[in-house]
Amino acid sequence: NAGVTQTPKFQVLKTGQSMTLQCAQDMNHEYMSWYRQDPGMGLRLIHYSVGAGITDQGEVPNGYNVSRSTTEDFPLRLLSAAPSQTSVYFCASSSLGGAAGELFFGEGSRLTVL
Amino acid sequence: SQQGEEDPQALSIQEGENATMNCSYKTSINNLQWYRQNSGRGLVHLILIRSNEREKHSGRLRVTLDTSKKSSSLLITASRAADTASYFCATDNNNDMRFGAGTRLTVKP
Repeated sequence: NAGVTQTPKFQVLKTGQSMTLQCAQDMNHEYMSWYRQDPGMGLRLIHYSVGAGITDQGEVPNGYNVSRSTTEDFPLRLLSAAPSQTSVYFCASSSLGGAAGELFFGEGSRLTVL
Repeated sequence: SQQGEEDPQALSIQEGENATMNCSYKTSINNLQWYRQNSGRGLVHLILIRSNEREKHSGRLRVTLDTSKKSSSLLITASRAADTASYFCATDNNNDMRFGAGTRLTVKP
């Protein structure tokens, strides 16, 4: 079982460059989300989606875009990378049943912006 | 801002001892969850407790929830060196999942 797959695992960008972090899940989960984790901090929600065609902002959405064209995929786009976006990014998914329920996480994507 | 706040930030115990971590949150919730993260890895779900539940058990884990105090605790009994990890609480408020900063648990063999 693949679960939640994130690519790439590591990426180095220069300030101003753009890139997309990919996230795919094979569990037919409606709910998907992106978090960033900075040293000594918990995870902060960037964007989330409760189904194809539906996205919403989390706690720290600025500088990031998302789309959800299929149930399986939820890419995170950095339009113009900044050093403040250096972080570890986690994608997570869950089934919906009244509440978000248990989240299944990918292994993370470590991004460095120079 | 983060919803959950764990206490203590770090905890070091001997193998066989019990470990207790606390979580406080600010707003109403649908459920509260606890997750574990080994260094450099993704988070793994441990246990979920709904807002109308007061206590839940899973193996060596015991979770309590006090909605009047907006707090939860995670107890790990008979700890093992393999329990060394960071533990996070997460609160769900209509699909907006917020995590605390975590408790770093070290279990010494």
